Amino acid sequence: QQQVKQSPQSLIVQKGGIPIINCAYENTAFDYFPWYQQFPGKGPALLIAIRPDVSEKKEGRFTISFNKSAKQFSLHIMDSQPGDSATYFCAASTRAGNNRKLIWGLGTSLAVNP
Amino acid sequence: DAGVIQSPRHEVTEMGQEVTLRCKPISGHDYLFWYRQTMMRGLELLIYFNNNVPIDDSGMPEDRFSAKMPNASFSTLKIQPSEPRDSAVYFCASSVAGGGDEQFFGPGTRLTVL
Repeated sequence: QQQVKQSPQSLIVQKGGIPIINCAYENTAFDYFPWYQQFPGKGPALLIAIRPDVSEKKEGRFTISFNKSAKQFSLHIMDSQPGDSATYFCAASTRAGNNRKLIWGLGTSLAVNP
Repeated sequence: DAGVIQSPRHEVTEMGQEVTLRCKPISGHDYLFWYRQTMMRGLELLIYFNNNVPIDDSGMPEDRFSAKMPNASFSTLKIQPSEPRDSAVYFCASSVAGGGDEQFFGPGTRLTVL
């Protein structure tokens, strides 16, 4: 059962556009929500993460918006560039005990056209 | 630091053969994760260790898969016997307790079972 649902599966935008990727979760015990970026032939790498005590976090051109009541969070990429073309994964976890298990979305393949 | 090291980077084998994938985590990291990535199922957590002890192996597909971590700097994932449906990219990742939960991924091993 998919506990973190990610959409869309793929996305194409023009350079300078603002792609938005959405994720929804079910488990209200989740307290850590990271986004990972993966380039072809590479492993995923942490891009940005948020905890549920804030509704928004920005790092450079990347912003996470978090809606606790709706159990949704999204990634916005401002002024997107061709170099942002990659697969993006959302994830969620709860840090109960020594748990470090991330529940992953299925990924969004983003293409930014020049 | 060299990051997470995985070997081999590519493995082609025939059905029924034993396959061993290797991982060296980042020095000082006390969590180690094994993932499998396919187009159909995305990123799947197979097993993870804390201080060399398996914490959660619920993602291991079946008895053909086994993982060990004999010491803090080495882990193996073994498939015996291998089947064509095991073809995937296998990632190893590591993280450090208290390090903000970030998982650092290796470059992956692309496994093809003919």
